[in-house]
Amino acid sequence: ETGVTQTPRHLVMGMTNKKSLKCEQHLGHNAMYWYKQSAKKPLELMFVYNFKEQTENNSVPSRFSPECPNSSHLFLHLHTLQPEDSALYLCASSQPAGLELTGELFFGEGSRLTVL
Amino acid sequence: GIQVEQSPPDLILQEGANSTLRCNFSDSVNNLQWFHQNPWGQLINLFYIPSGTKQNGRLSATTVATERYSLLYISSSQTTDSGVYFCAVTGAGGTSYGKLTFGQGTILTVHP
Repeated sequence: ETGVTQTPRHLVMGMTNKKSLKCEQHLGHNAMYWYKQSAKKPLELMFVYNFKEQTENNSVPSRFSPECPNSSHLFLHLHTLQPEDSALYLCASSQPAGLELTGELFFGEGSRLTVL
Repeated sequence: GIQVEQSPPDLILQEGANSTLRCNFSDSVNNLQWFHQNPWGQLINLFYIPSGTKQNGRLSATTVATERYSLLYISSSQTTDSGVYFCAVTGAGGTSYGKLTFGQGTILTVHP
């Protein structure tokens, strides 16, 4: 069992659907992240939450809406997506070192999203 | 932002061979991690190594921070080593907030 679990592992949705990705970490970390991995592109940071507060939004379109109700859970709400949003979405967590989150990141297994 | 370059982009080995993967980065870092992405997409932590040398079984890594590169050594490769190997860094200075910048990866294929 990994310390970071993601559900669902696979999701197929139409462009008008609303769905959510869920991430839960069991490592006692205080920082959580969403990364996106598209085909032929490097992994890209989307959002960072530190102690439940969003500290980074890497110019992500508003059709992606994150939610962090507590330090152990992170959601990514999806609405009116486009086919080019099809990708592997990876959640990660880390323990911040002092004021800067320089701690080691641990990733979940990913949620593979296909938008039709 | 910081740039990360990995080489080679592709590597094909016969089982039992040794290999070295390289990661060059363009600025000082306070975090450097090596990952192995398995066929199902999960990123498996191999090393957290912003500087120095570490070993874990058949794998070892060395980061020379002053020269801005890191090396991942795989000895006696096995077919289960196949997959994509990523180097990722967080630039030093400012508020890094765990912003890992990933290289493009090295695709390793180990044949039996």
